[in-house]
Amino acid sequence: SYVLTQPPSVSVAPGKTARITCGGNNIGGRSVHWFQQKPGQAPVLVIYYDNERPSGIPERFSGSNSGNTATLTISGVEAGDEADYYCQVWDTASGDHFYVFGPGTKVTV
Amino acid sequence: EVQLAESGGGLIRPGGSLRISCAASGFTVSNNYMSWVRQAPGKGLEWISVIYGGDITYYADSVKGRFTISKDASKNMLYLQMNSLRAEDTAVYYCARNLPPENHFDSWGQGTLVTVST
Repeated sequence: SYVLTQPPSVSVAPGKTARITCGGNNIGGRSVHWFQQKPGQAPVLVIYYDNERPSGIPERFSGSNSGNTATLTISGVEAGDEADYYCQVWDTASGDHFYVFGPGTKVTV
Repeated sequence: EVQLAESGGGLIRPGGSLRISCAASGFTVSNNYMSWVRQAPGKGLEWISVIYGGDITYYADSVKGRFTISKDASKNMLYLQMNSLRAEDTAVYYCARNLPPENHFDSWGQGTLVTVST
């Protein structure tokens, strides 16, 4: 099955830019979605289809996807952005259907 | 407003069975794709099952043959029947809606904790 990789942690100063990577074999050929999860809370969709933002998600959140790496970028990081972030893709290569999550990245502000 | 609310979690002994539920509001379960995603304590997210239109279902290998996803259109509910439970099934279970065409998870419930232990 398809495997996604993420760095375990990213540390960023307030007001700076955080970049969280998601690696996978030719991931650029797939749509990547990103979720934010704060402690004790359910995940929240922050980016879908590589770079689309759901309503209510600040413009500070953006995404890109090319080659073997997708990236979630958080500009002007705020204390409230401290959370775990997961990337996710839909895998049907085997004929079966799987929804694959990356292992998650803890962002510390 | 789309809302999902899970219920039915609890403490269950290894080998036991449990059915958890997800009540949907603001949309119709029967017209949407729905999934269950779980998160073991201190671990990441793990998708475990999806149900499409026509009741087509798929499962992660970790639960295939033991768990069954279903929905009740009349009650606007999603269910997960879990049999032969193991300690490693201990997790918070979330229901989520999948939006086509790439079926991303756009809405999530708050989760229900299932603990499998003696």
